[in-house]
Amino acid sequence: ELKVEQNPLFLSMQEGKNYTIYCNYSTTSDRLYWYRQDPGKSLESLFVLLSNGAVKQEGRLMASLDTKARLSTLHITAAVHDLSATYFCAVVWGAQKLVFGQGTRLTINP
Amino acid sequence: DTAVSQTPKYLVTQMGNDKSIKCEQNLGHDTMYWYKQDSKKFLKIMFSYNNKELIINETVPNRFSPKSPDKAHLNLHINSLELGDSAVYFCASSQVGGIYTGELFFGEGSRLTVL
Repeated sequence: ELKVEQNPLFLSMQEGKNYTIYCNYSTTSDRLYWYRQDPGKSLESLFVLLSNGAVKQEGRLMASLDTKARLSTLHITAAVHDLSATYFCAVVWGAQKLVFGQGTRLTINP
Repeated sequence: DTAVSQTPKYLVTQMGNDKSIKCEQNLGHDTMYWYKQDSKKFLKIMFSYNNKELIINETVPNRFSPKSPDKAHLNLHINSLELGDSAVYFCASSQVGGIYTGELFFGEGSRLTVL
C-alpha cells in the first residue's frame, strides 16, 4: 500500500520568508500532484508533475519531483498572506487511485 | 458553469437516518470519485467509477452505496447514518490519456453532520 507523508504538518511563517514543504512517498509512481485548500473550500489543483526532475513554477510557488528519491518539494518564495492555506500532495497508485498526504497547514503572518 | 457540482452543500441529520449526496460533472471526464475528508483534514478515497463501472471500492462500510447512472453523475447513498460518518464528502472527476494528466477536479464538498 502506498503511503504519502508530508512534512511539516503545520507551518507558521513570516511574510517575506522562504520555506519548503516536503512530500515523501513509499512506492514507485509516475505522477504527483499538489493541491491547495482554503478553509471550508474545495481543493484547487496547483501543479502536475509527470517525470523525474520535473519542475513547475507559478508565482511564488515552485514544485519539483525526484522519482528516484520518491520526494517532491513545494517551495514558497517571499511568502505573502494570501498563500495561507492547507497544501496537499497526492500520488497516483494503481488504477487511478490518488493517495493524499496528510496536508500541511500553512499560516503566513504579517 | 460549475465544473463539478455537489448537492447538498450542508446536511444535518439524526443517527439512523438514510441520506444521499448527488454529484454531476460537465467536464466530459470518464472517471468520477468520492473522497471523505475527516475532521483532521485527512482525505481518503472511497469509490471510483469509470464510465459507470465501479473500479475502486475501498474498505468502506456497505452502508455506503455509490450509484452512477451515467458517466457525468455519481451519487452516494448512506444508510443508517452513524456519528462517525460526520465528515466532508468530496466528489471529483478526472480524465487520463492523450493530453490529459489525470488530475482530479473537485466539487465544493458536502458537509455531513450526524447528531
